[in-house]
Amino acid sequence: KNQVEQSPQSLIILEGKNCTLQCNYTVSPFSNLRWYKQDTGRGPVSLTIMTFSENTKSNGRYTATLDADTKQSSLHITASQLSDSASYICVVSARTGTYKYIFGTGTRLKVLA
Amino acid sequence: DTGVSQNPRHKITKRGQNVTFRCDPISEHNRLYWYRQTLGQGPEFLTYFQNEAQLEKSRLLSDRFSAERPKGSFSTLEIQRTEQGDSAMYLCASSFLTSTDTQYFGPGTRLTVL
Repeated sequence: KNQVEQSPQSLIILEGKNCTLQCNYTVSPFSNLRWYKQDTGRGPVSLTIMTFSENTKSNGRYTATLDADTKQSSLHITASQLSDSASYICVVSARTGTYKYIFGTGTRLKVLA
Repeated sequence: DTGVSQNPRHKITKRGQNVTFRCDPISEHNRLYWYRQTLGQGPEFLTYFQNEAQLEKSRLLSDRFSAERPKGSFSTLEIQRTEQGDSAMYLCASSFLTSTDTQYFGPGTRLTVL
């Protein structure tokens, strides 16, 4: 069964600190993996997308990694800011099927001053 | 604003009433998706369209739910005989069919059923 699991479920850190969010998946055949940021009460916004051949992708202070062998991805946030407080959702796409997106339940990050 | 828009942003209704939501996708996008999201959960897929054709529906989409995209542009999602369990954020997303097919989400419509 295609699944995406994220950990931790929630995280609280102090402003300026770094953090890493995890995403494990069992989606096959794998096409790509996205990380989305969702502010409270808003729709998700894409941060990064990685295909099978990519193992790292950066977007400002956000760096995503992908290990296609172990089917794991991480999202590293450097020098966190208050505006990073949001839910971060991992979405994995399969290469087959009409609808092929598997969403994780997200990690809720709270950055404190 | 050329992003995905949704109306209304908030809807409060009484149990048993019908509600309709509208989604306007990014103009050149040929795919449109509807999701439902409850607090603390990721979006749950409901249905999606390619142009005007509804290609897939989730088993979550009971017969009280119907979606249309009559001209391959905007879409509507109707919920008939609403129940308290329908209270959620309803998200719409659109994409252009490419190898990456990134979905762009709208701000959502928050439905509260009293």
